[in-house]
Amino acid sequence: QVQLVESGGGVVQPGRSLRLSCAASGFTFSNFPMHWVRQAPGKGLDWVTIISYDGNNKYYADSVKGRFTVSRDNSKNTLYLQMNSLRAEDTALYYCARAPFRMIRGVITIIHHFDLWGQGTLVTVSS
Amino acid sequence: QSALTQPASVSGSPGQSITISCTGTSSDVGGYDSVSWYHQHPGKAPKLMIYDVSNRPSGVSNRFSGSKSGNTASLTISGLQAEDEADYYCSSYTSRSTLVFGGGTKVTVL
Repeated sequence: QVQLVESGGGVVQPGRSLRLSCAASGFTFSNFPMHWVRQAPGKGLDWVTIISYDGNNKYYADSVKGRFTVSRDNSKNTLYLQMNSLRAEDTALYYCARAPFRMIRGVITIIHHFDLWGQGTLVTVSS
Repeated sequence: QSALTQPASVSGSPGQSITISCTGTSSDVGGYDSVSWYHQHPGKAPKLMIYDVSNRPSGVSNRFSGSKSGNTASLTISGLQAEDEADYYCSSYTSRSTLVFGGGTKVTVL
């Protein structure tokens, strides 16, 4: 079954850290770029970060740059999001999402949308 | 990166057609054919409805169509049905190698 399952959310105090995980199954995880997207309660979707299939390229939203770090372990089919210096405004449901790709002249080229989503893990930053 | 601009709400009667706009800049919507659309029912994860401006994934009804003109993309839902009532989001690739979402549009079937 093709799926993404997030974990690691919880309640954390401002300024503390948390690491989220996203376990992939049913597809060749190591071929796919991956995103984190978040959604604050009652609000819209907010893109957070993308990591390339091999982990060598990463991009971040300005709101998390310098505080969040995305990584992956292709041997474990798992995506991670290390979140440091958390703020109240980071409170959200965090989704991992898969980015499709094309092979162009043997190079994996990202297609810029999200074709598979997990169910999300809730992070609450509160004292 | 500012969010793309969508109307907060759009409504229509069953069977009618509605269109949701998504306005950005030449650095995102206008500069790339990488606009996608998602719908999200309450308590559920988003679902891809349109990608690369006008392409439908397998399994998505042909009642959904997408287009783009300049810095504005649009999603049209034809033959509106009760099950189409949801929140809709657009997304675009940007010149900074990031992605950006619209603020979301609540579609109500009257």
